[in-house]
Amino acid sequence: DIMLTQSPDSLPVSLGERATISCKSSQSLFYSSNNKNYLAWYQQKPRQPPRLLFYWASVRESGVPDRFSGAGSGTDFTLTISSLQAEDVAVYYCHQYYLTPWTFGRGTKVEI
Amino acid sequence: EIQLVESGGGLVRPGGSLRISCATSGFSFNDAWVSWVRQGPGKGLEWIGRIKSNAAGGTADYAGPVKGRFTISRDDSINTVFLQLNNLEFEDTATYHCATALSTSIYWGQGTLVTVSS
Repeated sequence: DIMLTQSPDSLPVSLGERATISCKSSQSLFYSSNNKNYLAWYQQKPRQPPRLLFYWASVRESGVPDRFSGAGSGTDFTLTISSLQAEDVAVYYCHQYYLTPWTFGRGTKVEI
Repeated sequence: EIQLVESGGGLVRPGGSLRISCATSGFSFNDAWVSWVRQGPGKGLEWIGRIKSNAAGGTADYAGPVKGRFTISRDDSINTVFLQLNNLEFEDTATYHCATALSTSIYWGQGTLVTVSS
Protein backbone atom coordinates (compact mmCIF):
# COMPACT_ATOMS: atom_id res chain seq x y z
CA ASP A 1 0.00 0.00 0.00
CA ILE A 2 1.13 3.57 -0.64
CA MET A 3 1.87 5.36 2.61
CA LEU A 4 1.31 9.08 2.94
CA THR A 5 3.24 10.83 5.68
CA GLN A 6 1.63 14.12 6.51
CA SER A 7 3.24 16.74 8.74
CA PRO A 8 2.89 18.39 11.10
CA ASP A 9 0.07 16.79 13.09
CA SER A 10 -0.88 20.16 14.52
CA LEU A 11 -0.11 23.62 13.17
CA PRO A 12 -0.79 26.73 15.24
CA VAL A 13 -0.80 29.80 13.00
CA SER A 14 -1.63 33.43 13.65
CA LEU A 15 -4.30 35.15 11.61
CA GLY A 16 -2.80 36.50 8.40
CA GLU A 17 0.23 34.25 8.61
CA ARG A 18 1.27 31.48 6.22
CA ALA A 19 0.53 27.83 6.91
CA THR A 20 2.31 25.03 5.05
CA ILE A 21 1.46 21.34 5.28
CA SER A 22 3.65 18.59 3.86
CA CYS A 23 2.58 15.25 2.43
CA LYS A 24 5.22 12.71 1.42
CA SER A 25 4.34 9.55 -0.47
CA SER A 26 6.14 6.23 -0.20
CA GLN A 27 6.10 5.98 -3.99
CA SER A 28 5.65 8.33 -6.90
CA LEU A 29 2.12 9.48 -7.62
CA PHE A 30 3.08 10.80 -11.07
CA TYR A 31 1.60 9.00 -14.06
CA SER A 32 3.72 9.80 -17.09
CA SER A 33 1.05 8.82 -19.62
CA ASN A 34 -1.04 11.85 -18.72
CA ASN A 35 1.51 13.96 -16.78
CA LYS A 36 -0.66 14.03 -13.71
CA ASN A 37 -0.02 13.54 -10.02
CA TYR A 38 -2.78 11.56 -8.35
CA LEU A 39 -2.82 13.55 -5.14
CA ALA A 40 -5.71 15.48 -3.59
CA TRP A 41 -6.15 17.74 -0.59
CA TYR A 42 -9.24 18.08 1.61
CA GLN A 43 -10.40 20.42 4.33
CA GLN A 44 -12.67 19.06 7.05
CA LYS A 45 -14.50 21.04 9.68
CA PRO A 46 -16.29 19.45 12.65
CA ARG A 47 -19.46 17.56 11.78
CA GLN A 48 -18.94 18.16 8.07
CA PRO A 49 -17.81 15.83 5.29
CA PRO A 50 -14.39 16.42 3.69
CA ARG A 51 -14.32 19.30 1.23
CA LEU A 52 -12.11 18.83 -1.82
CA LEU A 53 -9.59 21.65 -2.21
CA PHE A 54 -7.20 20.34 -4.88
CA TYR A 55 -6.95 17.40 -7.25
CA TRP A 56 -4.13 16.45 -9.62
CA ALA A 57 -2.00 17.97 -6.82
CA SER A 58 -2.49 21.58 -7.88
CA VAL A 59 -5.84 22.00 -9.63
CA ARG A 60 -7.99 24.15 -7.40
CA GLU A 61 -11.57 23.02 -7.00
CA SER A 62 -14.21 25.55 -7.94
CA GLY A 63 -14.99 27.93 -5.08
CA VAL A 64 -11.74 27.43 -3.19
CA PRO A 65 -10.16 30.79 -2.29
CA ASP A 66 -6.91 31.58 -4.05
CA ARG A 67 -5.08 31.96 -0.72
CA PHE A 68 -4.95 28.15 -0.89
CA SER A 69 -2.36 26.56 -3.17
CA GLY A 70 -1.28 23.02 -3.87
CA ALA A 71 2.14 22.12 -5.22
CA GLY A 72 4.53 19.25 -5.69
CA SER A 73 5.17 16.26 -7.87
CA GLY A 74 6.24 12.66 -7.57
CA THR A 75 6.51 11.97 -3.86
CA ASP A 76 6.59 15.41 -2.23
CA PHE A 77 3.58 17.67 -1.99
CA THR A 78 2.54 20.76 -0.06
CA LEU A 79 -0.63 22.62 0.76
CA THR A 80 -0.14 26.28 1.58
CA ILE A 81 -2.53 28.82 3.01
CA SER A 82 -0.90 32.15 2.24
CA SER A 83 -2.77 34.25 4.80
CA LEU A 84 -4.74 32.29 7.37
CA GLN A 85 -8.31 33.35 7.97
CA ALA A 86 -10.47 32.33 10.93
CA GLU A 87 -12.64 30.15 8.70
CA ASP A 88 -9.60 28.11 7.66
CA VAL A 89 -9.40 26.43 11.07
CA ALA A 90 -9.93 22.78 10.19
CA VAL A 91 -8.23 19.44 9.69
CA TYR A 92 -6.53 19.00 6.33
CA TYR A 93 -5.90 15.63 4.66
CA CYS A 94 -3.89 14.54 1.66
CA HIS A 95 -5.14 11.61 -0.40
CA GLN A 96 -3.55 9.47 -3.10
CA TYR A 97 -5.77 7.98 -5.77
CA TYR A 98 -2.95 6.61 -7.92
CA LEU A 99 -3.53 3.04 -6.77
CA THR A 100 -6.00 1.16 -4.67
CA PRO A 101 -6.21 0.99 -1.80
CA TRP A 102 -6.67 4.73 -1.77
CA THR A 103 -4.77 6.04 1.21
CA PHE A 104 -4.94 9.22 3.22
CA GLY A 105 -2.63 11.20 5.41
CA ARG A 106 -3.37 11.21 9.11
CA GLY A 107 -4.48 14.83 8.98
CA THR A 108 -3.09 18.18 10.09
CA LYS A 109 -5.09 20.26 12.52
CA VAL A 110 -4.68 23.94 11.68
CA GLU A 111 -5.56 26.19 14.60
CA ILE A 112 -5.09 29.77 15.64
CA GLU B 1 -24.39 18.81 -11.80
CA ILE B 2 -22.63 15.71 -10.55
CA GLN B 3 -24.17 14.22 -7.42
CA LEU B 4 -23.58 11.19 -5.24
CA VAL B 5 -26.16 10.59 -2.51
CA GLU B 6 -25.77 7.87 0.09
CA SER B 7 -28.69 6.39 1.99
CA GLY B 8 -29.60 3.43 4.14
CA GLY B 9 -27.48 4.00 7.22
CA GLY B 10 -28.80 3.38 10.69
CA LEU B 11 -28.42 1.58 13.99
CA VAL B 12 -27.58 -2.10 13.87
CA ARG B 13 -26.53 -4.63 16.49
CA PRO B 14 -23.15 -6.38 16.42
CA GLY B 15 -23.29 -9.27 14.00
CA GLY B 16 -26.09 -7.63 12.06
CA SER B 17 -26.32 -6.57 8.43
CA LEU B 18 -27.16 -3.44 6.50
CA ARG B 19 -27.21 -2.39 2.86
CA ILE B 20 -26.38 1.17 1.97
CA SER B 21 -26.79 2.80 -1.41
CA CYS B 22 -25.02 5.47 -3.43
CA ALA B 23 -27.30 7.02 -6.04
CA THR B 24 -25.48 9.04 -8.67
CA SER B 25 -26.31 11.50 -11.40
CA GLY B 26 -24.70 13.97 -13.75
CA PHE B 27 -21.92 11.81 -15.20
CA SER B 28 -21.37 8.69 -17.24
CA PHE B 29 -21.96 6.16 -14.48
CA ASN B 30 -21.36 3.20 -16.78
CA ASP B 31 -17.71 4.21 -17.14
CA ALA B 32 -17.10 5.13 -13.52
CA TRP B 33 -15.17 3.22 -10.90
CA VAL B 34 -16.69 3.96 -7.50
CA SER B 35 -15.05 3.71 -4.10
CA TRP B 36 -16.38 3.61 -0.56
CA VAL B 37 -14.55 5.51 2.16
CA ARG B 38 -15.50 5.59 5.82
CA GLN B 39 -14.68 7.81 8.75
CA GLY B 40 -15.16 6.65 12.30
CA PRO B 41 -16.00 9.15 15.05
CA GLY B 42 -12.95 11.31 15.70
CA LYS B 43 -10.90 9.26 13.24
CA GLY B 44 -9.32 9.73 9.83
CA LEU B 45 -10.43 8.61 6.40
CA GLU B 46 -10.29 4.92 5.50
CA TRP B 47 -10.81 3.42 2.03
CA ILE B 48 -12.80 0.24 2.29
CA GLY B 49 -13.35 -0.82 -1.30
CA ARG B 50 -13.97 -0.05 -4.94
CA ILE B 51 -15.94 -1.46 -7.81
CA LYS B 52 -14.77 -1.18 -11.38
CA SER B 53 -16.98 -0.34 -14.32
CA ASN B 54 -18.65 -3.29 -16.02
CA ALA B 55 -16.53 -2.61 -19.09
CA ALA B 56 -13.47 -3.19 -16.92
CA GLY B 57 -14.91 -6.38 -15.48
CA GLY B 58 -17.18 -5.03 -12.77
CA THR B 59 -15.08 -6.59 -10.02
CA ALA B 60 -14.58 -5.18 -6.55
CA ASP B 61 -11.53 -4.88 -4.31
CA TYR B 62 -11.63 -4.53 -0.55
CA ALA B 63 -9.50 -3.36 2.32
CA GLY B 64 -8.31 -6.01 4.73
CA PRO B 65 -10.54 -5.15 7.70
CA VAL B 66 -13.73 -5.61 5.67
CA LYS B 67 -12.77 -8.36 3.24
CA GLY B 68 -15.19 -11.24 3.48
CA ARG B 69 -17.76 -9.17 5.38
CA PHE B 70 -18.57 -6.30 2.99
CA THR B 71 -19.68 -6.60 -0.64
CA ILE B 72 -19.85 -3.84 -3.23
CA SER B 73 -22.17 -4.17 -6.21
CA ARG B 74 -23.59 -1.89 -8.87
CA ASP B 75 -26.73 -1.51 -10.95
CA ASP B 76 -25.98 0.54 -14.03
CA SER B 77 -29.68 0.70 -14.95
CA ILE B 78 -30.28 3.01 -11.98
CA ASN B 79 -26.79 4.54 -11.69
CA THR B 80 -26.39 3.19 -8.17
CA VAL B 81 -23.69 1.45 -6.19
CA PHE B 82 -24.48 -0.68 -3.14
CA LEU B 83 -22.45 -1.63 -0.10
CA GLN B 84 -23.65 -4.72 1.75
CA LEU B 85 -22.30 -4.79 5.29
CA ASN B 86 -22.47 -8.16 7.06
CA ASN B 87 -21.28 -9.40 10.44
CA LEU B 88 -20.91 -5.84 11.65
CA GLU B 89 -18.57 -5.01 14.50
CA PHE B 90 -18.44 -2.06 16.90
CA GLU B 91 -15.39 -0.80 14.97
CA ASP B 92 -17.50 -0.47 11.81
CA THR B 93 -19.33 2.49 13.32
CA ALA B 94 -18.62 5.31 10.89
CA THR B 95 -19.95 7.65 8.26
CA TYR B 96 -19.74 5.87 4.92
CA HIS B 97 -19.06 7.93 1.79
CA CYS B 98 -19.06 6.90 -1.83
CA ALA B 99 -16.63 8.69 -4.12
CA THR B 100 -15.45 8.62 -7.70
CA ALA B 101 -12.38 10.11 -9.34
CA LEU B 102 -13.15 11.47 -12.78
CA SER B 103 -10.93 13.44 -15.15
CA THR B 104 -12.71 16.60 -14.02
CA SER B 105 -12.41 16.18 -10.26
CA ILE B 106 -13.05 13.80 -7.36
CA TYR B 107 -16.65 13.67 -6.29
CA TRP B 108 -17.92 12.59 -2.88
CA GLY B 109 -21.29 12.08 -1.33
CA GLN B 110 -22.22 13.61 2.02
CA GLY B 111 -22.19 10.21 3.69
CA THR B 112 -24.54 7.99 5.64
CA LEU B 113 -23.99 7.10 9.29
CA VAL B 114 -23.81 3.48 10.37
CA THR B 115 -23.85 2.88 14.12
CA VAL B 116 -23.11 -0.56 15.51
CA SER B 117 -24.31 -0.80 19.06
CA SER B 118 -25.95 -3.29 21.38
